[in-house]
Amino acid sequence: DAGVTQSPTHLIKTRGQQVTLRCSPKSGHDTVSWYQQALGQGPQFIFQYYEEEERQRGNFPDRFSGHQFPNYSSELNVNALLLGDSALYLCASSSDGFQETQYFGPGTRLLVL
Amino acid sequence: SQKIEQNSEALNIQEGKTATLTCNYTNYSPAYLQWYRQDPGRGPVFLLLIRENEKEKRKERLKVTFDTTLKQSLFHITASQPADSATYLCALLNNDMRFGAGTRLTVKP
Repeated sequence: DAGVTQSPTHLIKTRGQQVTLRCSPKSGHDTVSWYQQALGQGPQFIFQYYEEEERQRGNFPDRFSGHQFPNYSSELNVNALLLGDSALYLCASSSDGFQETQYFGPGTRLLVL
Repeated sequence: SQKIEQNSEALNIQEGKTATLTCNYTNYSPAYLQWYRQDPGRGPVFLLLIRENEKEKRKERLKVTFDTTLKQSLFHITASQPADSATYLCALLNNDMRFGAGTRLTVKP
């Protein structure tokens, strides 16, 4: 049983560009959450998707958007990249929002130059 | 504003000793609290969850306490081993999920 997978593993972009990150949840999970983790910090919640809709959102600007597909996989899109968007982006899946164990993927390391 | 503080950035202990990590929070009423382990370059791995009406939870060498009056959780690793060296994160859950910055634990042989 594959766990949570994310692609790509690393990405380099320049300021102003747009990026799409992808996540496949653990088998049997229908909820996907995205987090941003800056170096030396804990993960910060971006948003959570359930039944193809954004169910909750953290304190992130509209430049951050997402999507969930019928097979529960998800994408995170970031527009107009800033230097400060450089971070490890983590995807986590669960079977019932935050109340059940979240399983994290290995993350996508994004560097904005 | 809501704040989550983990006792220190780094904690060094000798193998065999008990490691105790602290998570304090302010202006928050979590329904659940979770502890995760994170190794460099990897995603966090869930360890334990404790609910607001639970005082203590154990799993093998791990023990978590949750004091909603003190607004504090303690995370203990007994008989620590070098393989326990990692960053440990606490996360508070209510309507959303908020993580502390983590404590980097090093267990020396």
